[in-house]
Amino acid sequence: DGGITQSPKYLFRKEGQNVTLSCEQNLNHDAMYWYRQDPGQGLRLIYYSQIVNDFQKGDIAEGYSVSREKKESFPLTVTSAQKNPTAFYLCASSVVGYGYTFGSGTRLTVV
Amino acid sequence: QQPVQSPQAVILREGEDAVINCSSSKALYSVHWYRQKHGEAPVFLMILLKGGEQKGHEKISASFNEKKQQSSLYLTASQLSYSGTYFCGTDVMGGYQKVTFGTGTKLQVIP
Repeated sequence: DGGITQSPKYLFRKEGQNVTLSCEQNLNHDAMYWYRQDPGQGLRLIYYSQIVNDFQKGDIAEGYSVSREKKESFPLTVTSAQKNPTAFYLCASSVVGYGYTFGSGTRLTVV
Repeated sequence: QQPVQSPQAVILREGEDAVINCSSSKALYSVHWYRQKHGEAPVFLMILLKGGEQKGHEKISASFNEKKQQSSLYLTASQLSYSGTYFCGTDVMGGYQKVTFGTGTKLQVIP
């Protein structure tokens, strides 16, 4: 079945560490996105990519980095510069004129 | 700018109807609607495109007033499975849309 796979489901980060969240899709969608969700809040856009080797900052890109070397993959790195990284991270993909398909999410906690 | 949703929360008995509203201060190309159950990823329900085209489900419908930049989601004859948080998302550009999400409406359906 086609879909988006995010891993790991749970991730714990120590202070000063960089961590990378994986996102893979087999839907053949061109566009991919990373959103962050804090408890009781909506989704805020971190980065998005419309084609391979190109990506744009969203509303809260500071402290995060991405790459898009393959159409299927859009990993997100949470760097030590992100001071409050504890959140639920959602990866999504889309085609023009249709809604997003989301992965099951990664819950990141700072320890 | 984030779209505004109302109400913030609503409790329904099975079989009752509900309306969730979403408004934006910007001219919109499309409006998305998603439902998220606790601890899970959002699931796409419907997209409404500028020009009046609508795609979505049978038992849940929506409208899009382009002049007022408002959308409403209609839930009729609610079922227990309708419980969750509903998010609207707005896109101002079209194409590989960059969606900005509202803060959500928590809906609980009780027997």
